[in-house]
Amino acid sequence: AQSVTQLDSHVSVSEGTPVLLRCNYSSSYSPSLFWYVQHPNKGLQLLLKYTSAATLVKGINGFEAEFKKSETSFHLTKPSAHMSDAAEYFCVVSDPGNTPLVFGKGTRLSVIA
Amino acid sequence: DAGVTQSPTHLIKTRGQQVTLRCSPKSGHDTVSWYQQALGQGPQFIFQYYEEEERQRGNFPDRFSGHQFPNYSSELNVNALLLGDSALYLCASSSGFGYEQYFGPGTRLTVT
Repeated sequence: AQSVTQLDSHVSVSEGTPVLLRCNYSSSYSPSLFWYVQHPNKGLQLLLKYTSAATLVKGINGFEAEFKKSETSFHLTKPSAHMSDAAEYFCVVSDPGNTPLVFGKGTRLSVIA
Repeated sequence: DAGVTQSPTHLIKTRGQQVTLRCSPKSGHDTVSWYQQALGQGPQFIFQYYEEEERQRGNFPDRFSGHQFPNYSSELNVNALLLGDSALYLCASSSGFGYEQYFGPGTRLTVT
């Protein structure tokens, strides 16, 4: 069965500095991988997704992630953090076909002014 | 174009009671999935409905049941509520299987 490990439960960065949220996955197949963001009292919003095309995936709001099969990683990055990026971020894996999304436990990103 | 909507926003119930949560999918979507998000955890898949039938189910007891209506809206029912059922319940819709899921804002259920 597929699984996801988010390596940091909380990351704190200063505004304008780079963001790195780490994610490792486990899957017996070639999975689809996603990053979702959850702002307080709001639904989950898809940031980006990898579905076996280009390994460097660009998403919304300046975020991107790189799929590294050899390291089974899918880390999320952003060159410069903004105050509005403060939220909970979830790394998600899904095996091919109609398989449910499997979420990590989340990483809370704090952005300090 | 309305996104996924859920009602109610918040709900407080007592142990042993039953609860029904509702979800309207995004326009054009025919598949609805339900997730439970406990405090400090990632969402966990409960079940998925397509063509008014439960197509997949996660590791949840039979106390959790659902329904999908001809207009694709869906209900989640939980019987014999336990304190551990307190969570944010998220509904997600998609256009068929294996496509991008759009999430609603969730229903916060508190069981006392």
